[in-house]
Amino acid sequence: DIQMTQSPSFLSATVGDRVTINCKASQNINKYLNWYQQKLGEAPKRLIYNTNSLQTGIPSRFSGSGSGTDYTLTISSLQPEDVATYFCLQHNSGNTFGAGTKLELK
Amino acid sequence: QVQLEESGPGLMQPSETLSLTCTVSGFSLTNNGVGWVRQPLGKDLVWMGTIWAGGSTNYNSAVQSRLSISRDTSKSQVFLKMNSLQPEDTGTYYCATHPFGSPFDYWGQGVLVTVSS
Repeated sequence: DIQMTQSPSFLSATVGDRVTINCKASQNINKYLNWYQQKLGEAPKRLIYNTNSLQTGIPSRFSGSGSGTDYTLTISSLQPEDVATYFCLQHNSGNTFGAGTKLELK
Repeated sequence: QVQLEESGPGLMQPSETLSLTCTVSGFSLTNNGVGWVRQPLGKDLVWMGTIWAGGSTNYNSAVQSRLSISRDTSKSQVFLKMNSLQPEDTGTYYCATHPFGSPFDYWGQGVLVTVSS
């Protein structure tokens, strides 16, 4: 089974900051990597699919990159409404989520 | 507009069988797969299994022996059945659309299941 290591587990940032969240797969996942945002008490929302494709309706400040085993979600300018937990998901072989990154405002 | 809604009992006893229903609208189950994802309280999301548009299924090996996913296309419903429940099965259960190669683009709101004696 493919394991996903997500970092950091907790992140505190200021409005306007550039924020990056990382996921590392235990083997090559061929860019089959999605990113999700989950706000408190809500269902997850897909932000990015297949490494760098932006889901319809998601602000362009969200972007994804990576290849092989290493992937990154970037928020170019943090907004207050971005406070949430972020998860990665590999779907190259089965489906495995990362442990999540809790993003808070400093 | 794609919508999914989970329903089922909130409280179960250990060793019982859990039955959940996911009622969908805005798409056909014969054109789109549906997966189930579990989230124990405060913990990681875990994919449990998926029923594909053609009706075949795939399960997470960790729960495969206890899990069954089926559907009624005429009612636009997908069913999850999991036996031999234990307290560690407690969590929020979500159904989500699972197009082949593009998982979990739309989600239901989730249903909280508590397993306790």
